[in-house]
Amino acid sequence: AQSVTQLDSQVPVFEEAPVELRCNYSSSVSVYLFWYVQYPNQGLQLLLKYLSGSTLVKGINGFEAEFNKSQTSFHLRKPSVHISDTAEYFCAVSGGSNYKLTFGKGTLLTVNP
Amino acid sequence: EAGVAQSPRYKIIEKRQSVAFWCNPISGHATLYWYQQILGQGPKLLIQFQNNGVVDDSQLPKDRFSAERLKGVDSTLKIQPAKLEDSAVYLCASSFGSTGRRNEAFFGQGTRLTVV
Repeated sequence: AQSVTQLDSQVPVFEEAPVELRCNYSSSVSVYLFWYVQYPNQGLQLLLKYLSGSTLVKGINGFEAEFNKSQTSFHLRKPSVHISDTAEYFCAVSGGSNYKLTFGKGTLLTVNP
Repeated sequence: EAGVAQSPRYKIIEKRQSVAFWCNPISGHATLYWYQQILGQGPKLLIQFQNNGVVDDSQLPKDRFSAERLKGVDSTLKIQPAKLEDSAVYLCASSFGSTGRRNEAFFGQGTRLTVV
């Protein structure tokens, strides 16, 4: 079975500071990895994804993530955050015979002025 | 391109009543997912369809929840009878398929269910 652990439930930062949201996964097979963002009362929007190839992937809104197979991690980073980045962020893994998409519990990023 | 459509957006019912949610995926998407998101938690997969067949329903409480996708396009999720702990946001998502680039899931805005 696959699982996702998001190590921080809440991350408060000041505007223009860098941020890293941590994600570790477990799976016995090759996986695809995703980061989604959820704004209040909205569905989930894809930020970025790792399917294969370069381990550094860039997404929308200046976010990037690095796939580290040896550490089974897929941490999300942004060098300078804005107030508008305040949202819930979910890491997800997809793999196995039916490529079931499994989510972590989420990290609430709060950007303060 | 139209996104994943869900209705209703909000629903309030009393416990033991029944409720149904509807989802219309993006045109051409073969895979459809229903997720339950309880406040403060990540989405939990309830059921995954590939066309009109069920791929995974291992976490669907089958004594009260049912879902169908009869023509391989839109889908309905039903709860009967509802319990207080069913209060959650129900998210529908779709993707072209399961593998590679086809695996990217697009989400609807969700239906917020409150059971009182």
